[in-house]
Amino acid sequence: AQTVTQSQPEMSVQEAETVTLSCTYDTSESDYYLFWYKQPPSRQMILVIRQEAYKQQNATENRFSVNFQKAAKSFSLKISDSQLGDAAMYFCAYRGRGNEKLTFGTGTRLTIIP
Amino acid sequence: NAGVTQTPKFQVLKTGQSMTLQCAQDMNHEYMSWYRQDPGMGLRLIHYSVGAGITDQGEVPNGYNVSRSTTEDFPLRLLSAAPSQTSVYFCASSSSTGVGNTEAFFGQGTRLTVV
Repeated sequence: AQTVTQSQPEMSVQEAETVTLSCTYDTSESDYYLFWYKQPPSRQMILVIRQEAYKQQNATENRFSVNFQKAAKSFSLKISDSQLGDAAMYFCAYRGRGNEKLTFGTGTRLTIIP
Repeated sequence: NAGVTQTPKFQVLKTGQSMTLQCAQDMNHEYMSWYRQDPGMGLRLIHYSVGAGITDQGEVPNGYNVSRSTTEDFPLRLLSAAPSQTSVYFCASSSSTGVGNTEAFFGQGTRLTVV
């Protein structure tokens, strides 16, 4: 079974600074997908960024980028120029190829300091 | 686009009561699932369905039933509520293309308290 580990229950960052959230996973599969979801106080789950394991290039979405290290099974999220609206719980998630089931980490609560 | 609609948003139940959490999607997605979110545990899969008439158990299925009579609807039934089922419940759907990188769309969640 796959597992996803987020070792930072809470993080904080000054507004406009950069922060990196960590995620590691364990799997025996060679082809899979990784996701970062954001959950603001509204409870809505919002997809931030996704990465296909077969792609070596790290995914980027505006201020959000990932550092995907397949051999190390690491998938960190970097948020640049942090904004107050980035304050939320962030979940890392894994999905095997051809399998729609998501396995989530325990989440990291990010606080933005004005 | 309504996306994934969950009702109710909040519910308080007494121990032993039954209820159904409703989930509907209008995106013609084949795959639907239910998760529960508990503090410090992330989201855990309760049940899922890969199409109408097909359901299967996830990681934490005990105490819950599901059915999928239509593509659009995937209700979650609590047969006899217990305090351990106090949680936030999410319904999600995605297009099962077999590729795996399709986005999962989530409902707004239901905060359930069992007293």
